[in-house]
Amino acid sequence: KQEVTQIPAALSVPEGENLVLNCSFTDSAIYNLQWFRQDPGKGLTSLLLIQSSQREQTSGRLNASLDKSSGRSTLYIAASQPGDSATYLCAVDTGRRALTFGSGTRLQVQP
Amino acid sequence: GAGVSQSPSNKVTEKGKDVELRCDPISGHTALYWYRQSLGQGLEFLIYFQGNSAPDKSGLPSDRFSAERTGGSVSTLTIQRTQQEDSAVYLCASSPRGQIAFFGQGTRLTVV
Repeated sequence: KQEVTQIPAALSVPEGENLVLNCSFTDSAIYNLQWFRQDPGKGLTSLLLIQSSQREQTSGRLNASLDKSSGRSTLYIAASQPGDSATYLCAVDTGRRALTFGSGTRLQVQP
Repeated sequence: GAGVSQSPSNKVTEKGKDVELRCDPISGHTALYWYRQSLGQGLEFLIYFQGNSAPDKSGLPSDRFSAERTGGSVSTLTIQRTQQEDSAVYLCASSPRGQIAFFGQGTRLTVV
């Protein structure tokens, strides 16, 4: 059974800092991995999708890496801003079942 | 539509009543997922539809929960004889197979 873990559960940083969010998964036979953002009371917004054959994806200040063999992904946020405050979730797709989500990292960027 | 649409956005129901939650996925998306999220918790998988394959119902918490997807498009999640522990936000998502999943804004269900 695929299990996804995110560390840390919560993070508070001052504005401008670079930060790294971690995601690990137990079954390396994945199809892809996605990072999502969830604002309070809202649905999820997809940030980045990394296919299993890829090592990283970049979008603006966000960079996600994938090391499938070790079962790890990181989301790097450069020059954090208060508007980045949200919960960040990673999810893995094995191609056989629905997406399996981690429990998220709640990020607070202090102005 | 431009995105995944869920209705109603909010639903308050009395314990013991049945409720139906609707999801309109993005046209052409073969995969459709239902999750629920209790206050301050992560996403709990409920059911997964992929094309014409039999749905994966392994996440449904009890036989009071059921879902169908008609014509490969609209999906309805039904909860019978609602209980207070069913109170949560119910999220629907759709995607082309193996691609980015798009989520609706959710239905906030409160059972009183």
